[in-house]
Amino acid sequence: DGGITQSPKYLFRKEGQNVTLSCEQNLNHDAMYWYRQDPGQGLRLIYYSQIVNDFQKGDIAEGYSVSREKKESFPLTVTSAQKNPTAFYLCASTVGQGSNQPQHFGDGTRLSIL
Amino acid sequence: GNSVTQMEGPVTLSEEAFLTINCTYTATGYPSLFWYVQYPGEGLQLLLKATKADDKGSNKGFEATYRKETTSFHLEKGSVQVSDSAVYFCACMDTGRRALTFGSGTRLQVQP
Repeated sequence: DGGITQSPKYLFRKEGQNVTLSCEQNLNHDAMYWYRQDPGQGLRLIYYSQIVNDFQKGDIAEGYSVSREKKESFPLTVTSAQKNPTAFYLCASTVGQGSNQPQHFGDGTRLSIL
Repeated sequence: GNSVTQMEGPVTLSEEAFLTINCTYTATGYPSLFWYVQYPGEGLQLLLKATKADDKGSNKGFEATYRKETTSFHLEKGSVQVSDSAVYFCACMDTGRRALTFGSGTRLQVQP
């Protein structure tokens, strides 16, 4: 079945450590996105990529980095510069053409501080 | 940029009650609108969408109509079930970035 796979499901970060969240899709979608969800809040856009080898900052990109070397993969690194990384991280993808296509979401990674 | 405002929760209903969750948006032009549902510990699932004014999206007994005059996209269901208990998010497409702007979510609790 086609879908989006995020791993790991749970991740713990030590102070000063960088961690990388994986996102893989086999939907052949062009565009991919990373959102952050805090308790009781909606999702906020971290980074997005409309095409391979290109990505843009979203609304809360500080302390995060991404790469898009392959169409199916869009990993997110939470760097030590992100002072409040505890949150639920969701990856999404969509067909690149047009703006009326829904985004498909993975099951998320919950990141906590040790 | 775009913004989406949802009614605050939690909303607690008895089984078979009528559900309305209000959603209004601010955006340039006429963006596509979406409702997503999130069950505990999971990602978001698309519930329904509408791409132009007066469109009605529907799925699993849920409906929402794109009202451009009131910039609203309220979610309704005639008879809720316990299994509908979840968090519901209204979202608006940012046509420039082709990324979604989400409301803060509304938690629905349906009691038997």
